[in-house]
Amino acid sequence: DAKTTQPPSMDCAEGRAANLPCNHSTISGNEYVYWYRQIHSQGPQYIIHGLKNNETNEMASLIITEDRKSSTLILPHATLRDTAVYYCIVRVAPGEETSGSRLTFGEGTQLTVNP
Amino acid sequence: DTGVSQDPRHKITKRGQNVTFRCDPISEHNRLYWYRQTLGQGPEFLTYFQNEAQLEKSRLLSDRFSAERPKGSFSTLEIQRTEQGDSAMYLCASSLVTWGSDTQYFGPGTRLTVL
Repeated sequence: DAKTTQPPSMDCAEGRAANLPCNHSTISGNEYVYWYRQIHSQGPQYIIHGLKNNETNEMASLIITEDRKSSTLILPHATLRDTAVYYCIVRVAPGEETSGSRLTFGEGTQLTVNP
Repeated sequence: DTGVSQDPRHKITKRGQNVTFRCDPISEHNRLYWYRQTLGQGPEFLTYFQNEAQLEKSRLLSDRFSAERPKGSFSTLEIQRTEQGDSAMYLCASSLVTWGSDTQYFGPGTRLTVL
């Protein structure tokens, strides 16, 4: 799976949009971009994933650049409960794995939402 | 949908003792994964099952570790002769594999402390 690079920490004011960047310059054509977050002492929570097109769900939006070398997770109106470590992960689709189905977590971005 | 559950949530044991953790996946999910997370790090893959078959094991899974999923539903992870280095959060995740999708949903984890 391709390696990802994220800033170690970011701050955001409550009510404002939080934009979390991720670089994945070695991504392959069959690799998806997944985002998870982990609130302190809890299990990781799935947020969103995408292949090429931008995606939106009730939690967030995922913007993937046209060359797919980077992406941005957008939390449109951040709340204090969004304070967490956010992980950007690249992995192949099922059926195309060469190294299993694992998620390879990096160190993520610690997002702190301030009142 | 009650989500992935894990039992116990916390376990304190003495070095040399055996411990067993249980994971109940989301109903009808055919894949089940185990990860380990140490303080300040992202989760690391240990092993995964598709139905009852264990398809991949990480090098992290020493011979003191064994995982089972006997009927393709719940899974157990046993650690024999625990060492202080085994202290970590043990996370379970499950997914329903369909073409192009294998989104993993995590449980709350079992925190192991080896004294």
